[in-house]
Amino acid sequence: GESVGLHLPTLSVQEGDNSIINCAYSNSASDYFIWYKQESGKGPQFIIDIRSNMDKRQGQRVTVLLNKTVKHLSLQIAATQPGDSAVYFCASYNFNKFYFGSGTKLNVKP
Amino acid sequence: DAGVIQSPRHEVTEMGQEVTLRCKPISGHNSLFWYRQTMMRGLELLIYFNNNVPIDDSGMPEDRFSAKMPNASFSTLKIQPSEPRDSAVYFCASRQGSGTEAFFGQGTRLTVV
Repeated sequence: GESVGLHLPTLSVQEGDNSIINCAYSNSASDYFIWYKQESGKGPQFIIDIRSNMDKRQGQRVTVLLNKTVKHLSLQIAATQPGDSAVYFCASYNFNKFYFGSGTKLNVKP
Repeated sequence: DAGVIQSPRHEVTEMGQEVTLRCKPISGHNSLFWYRQTMMRGLELLIYFNNNVPIDDSGMPEDRFSAKMPNASFSTLKIQPSEPRDSAVYFCASRQGSGTEAFFGQGTRLTVV
């Protein structure tokens, strides 16, 4: 079955610094990899995706890197802000379904 | 659009009782997902509908769980009888087409005592 895992349960960063959240996956056949953000008391919210044949994709203040050799995915957040405090999930997308990892809690210190 | 709407937001019930969770997807979306979230197991996909038809229910834990989607604007997840280990936050999500962006509701926090 699908397995998507995260390296660290909690990450603390200083406001203004860059954040890097990592994720490992097992299924090389996934079509896409996706990052979601979940704020307290809310459902997950889409941030950015990357097709499996790409290495890098940039969005607004976020960059996702995909290393298929070691089956590793990362989310980089530039100039982290207090509003970025949340749990971040990576997910794989295959056969029209999403499989989520266990999440990393990002704490942004003022 | 108000987004995906789930009800109730919170449900506390006694073991053995029937529980029904409700979801209204975003208008025009043709895929609907039910997820369960716990600290131990994270976000688990329970069932996936496409055009109101259940496509994959392999994540439904056991026969006590059932889901229906009678039309494009409504879905239910029923647990009968409920057990304390069913306590979790249940999310409904909808999606348009075959894209990677699923829109989640606020969730229903279920507590079975």
